[in-house]
Amino acid sequence: DGGITQSPKYLFRKEGQNVTLSCEQNLNHDAMYWYRQDPGQGLRLIYYSQIVNDFQKGDIAEGYSVSREKKESFPLTVTSAQKNPTAFYLCASRGSTGARSYNEQFFGPGTRLTVL
Amino acid sequence: DQQVKQNSPSLSVQEGRISILNCDYTNSMFDYFLWYKKYPAEGPTFLISISSIKDKNEDGRFTVFLNKSAKHLSLHIVPSQPGDSAVYFCAASNQAGTALIFGKGTTLSVSS
Repeated sequence: DGGITQSPKYLFRKEGQNVTLSCEQNLNHDAMYWYRQDPGQGLRLIYYSQIVNDFQKGDIAEGYSVSREKKESFPLTVTSAQKNPTAFYLCASRGSTGARSYNEQFFGPGTRLTVL
Repeated sequence: DQQVKQNSPSLSVQEGRISILNCDYTNSMFDYFLWYKKYPAEGPTFLISISSIKDKNEDGRFTVFLNKSAKHLSLHIVPSQPGDSAVYFCAASNQAGTALIFGKGTTLSVSS
């Protein structure tokens, strides 16, 4: 089945440690995105990538880093510089495969990161 | 400054009645709007969308209305079902079409 996978589902880390969240898609989509969701908040864009080896900062990129070495993969690193990293992180992709609507983004199941 | 606003954090409706979820936007350059549904601890799933050249789009029980002059859109669910209980996000496509701007969401509760 085509889709987006994120691992792990739950992640615990000590304060001051960097952590990398995985995102893989087999939809052959060119564009990939990382969002953060906090309670009572919408989805806020962290980084996005329109094509391999290229990515742009979103609205809240400080304290995060990404790479896009392969079309299928877009890992997000939460660094120790991120002041409040505890949140629900969502990865998404966009492309023509499976899309019912222009600009539709397909979301993964999310990773809940808790920093202790 | 929020560009996409969902001013009602929650809505409660009885099964079989109509649910109306509202969304306002401030950026007149937005030209595509989408609604997503989200259950707790899961990723959002796409529901329905509308282009700015239309004022209505319908898909089964779901209809989205767009009023460009008022910069307002609404999602109607008829009839509402208990399985519709979830958080609904309104999203707008930015000028370059590369990212979505989301509202804060409205939690819909449908009671049987």
